[in-house]
Parts: sequence; structure tokens; C-alpha cells
Amino acid sequence: DQQVKQNSPSLSVQEGRISILNCDYTNSMFDYFLWYKKYPAEGPTFLISISSIKDKNEDGRFTVFLNKSAKHLSLHIVPSQPGDSAVYFCAASARIQGAQKLVFGQGTRLTINP
Amino acid sequence: DTGVSQDPRHKITKRGQNVTFRCDPISEHNRLYWYRQTLGQGPEFLTYFQNEAQLEKSRLLSDRFSAERPKGSFSTLEIQRTEQGDSAMYLCASRTIQGSFYGYTFGSGTRLTVV
Repeated sequence: DQQVKQNSPSLSVQEGRISILNCDYTNSMFDYFLWYKKYPAEGPTFLISISSIKDKNEDGRFTVFLNKSAKHLSLHIVPSQPGDSAVYFCAASARIQGAQKLVFGQGTRLTINP
Repeated sequence: DTGVSQDPRHKITKRGQNVTFRCDPISEHNRLYWYRQTLGQGPEFLTYFQNEAQLEKSRLLSDRFSAERPKGSFSTLEIQRTEQGDSAMYLCASRTIQGSFYGYTFGSGTRLTVV
């Protein structure tokens, strides 16, 4: 069962425009959500996170929105830059479980076109 | 370099052979995790250690898989009698118990190809 889903395998955006990556989850126990960025031949690197007690978190060009009633979160990147081209993974965790293991979505490949 | 180090980066093996991967976490990190990523999927949790104790194993970790973390430092993941379905990227991550998710650091992974 896919508890975290990223339904768009790929997204292409023009440089300078907004990139919006979406993620849906099914497990209501999840209370912490993260976005990771992955370049080829490298491990995922942490980008931004949000706790379930918030509905928005912003860090520079990156903003994550959480809609708990819809079990949906999104990552906004504005303005998009060529260096943002990578695979983006949404991940979730249920901190009550203690291990703080992450459940990942399938990823969305973002391509920023000059 | 103070990141998470994994060795080897790539491994090609014949079906039925045994393979072993190594992960060296960030030195002050007492939690160590193994994940597996197959093509077109996100990383999937396999197991984790707190110091030298293996505290949880996923159902994905069949009897052919074994992980150790002697002395609570580096960790090894061994796959016995490899199958083609074991072909994947094996990722190691580490963090401190007290740390936030900001401190959850992944290595670059070991890509296994079983032929």
C-alpha cells in the first residue's frame, strides 16, 4: 500500500516561473512531512519540512503547504532556477512510532527550462 | 568529509552470489538507517539501529538479508544468494536521537546490479 503518493512522475517549468510539486498521503498518523531533493548518483538531501500543527512553512524560494483535511501537501519553488532540476521526494513520518523512519513517495522529476 | 560514506558505490554480481555493503555514518550519530530504492520508486525503509542494537526490521528484509552495526559505529548490510529482484540502490542514513529531521543525512548509496 502506497501511503505517500506523488502522482506526477515529471514536471517541466520555465526558468523564473513557479514550480508546484504535489503529494498526497493516506495515513492519518503522519505528523511530520519533508521534501528531499535528489541529484543523479547522490543520496537525497533535505530541503524543507513541516509539522502537522502548521499549514505553511517558508524557507527562501521554497514554501511547503499542508492541507490536513485533504491529506495533501505541496512544494512551491519560486522563482525556479536551472539548478532546481532534480528528483523531488515527499516523505512523511509518524513521530509517535519512535523510530522516525520516513515513508517516501515515488518522486517527481523537475526540469527547469532556460 | 563529515558526511555519510557508503562503499562500494557500485556492485555488479551474479545471481546466487553473496554481497556486503558498508556504511560509515556521521561519527556522533547514534541512529543508522538502511533504505532501498528501486527504479521509479522512492526509498523504502529496511531497518534501523540505535547504537549497536537493531531495533526494527521491515517486512522487505527477507531472511537473505542481514545487517549489523558492531560497536555502534559503521554498519554492514549483507545479501545472501542474490536474486535479480535485489537490484536496487541501497541507501544508508544517520542522525542523532535528539536531532530533528534536519539532521537526517543520507549517503550517496550503493547501486547493486544482479545479472
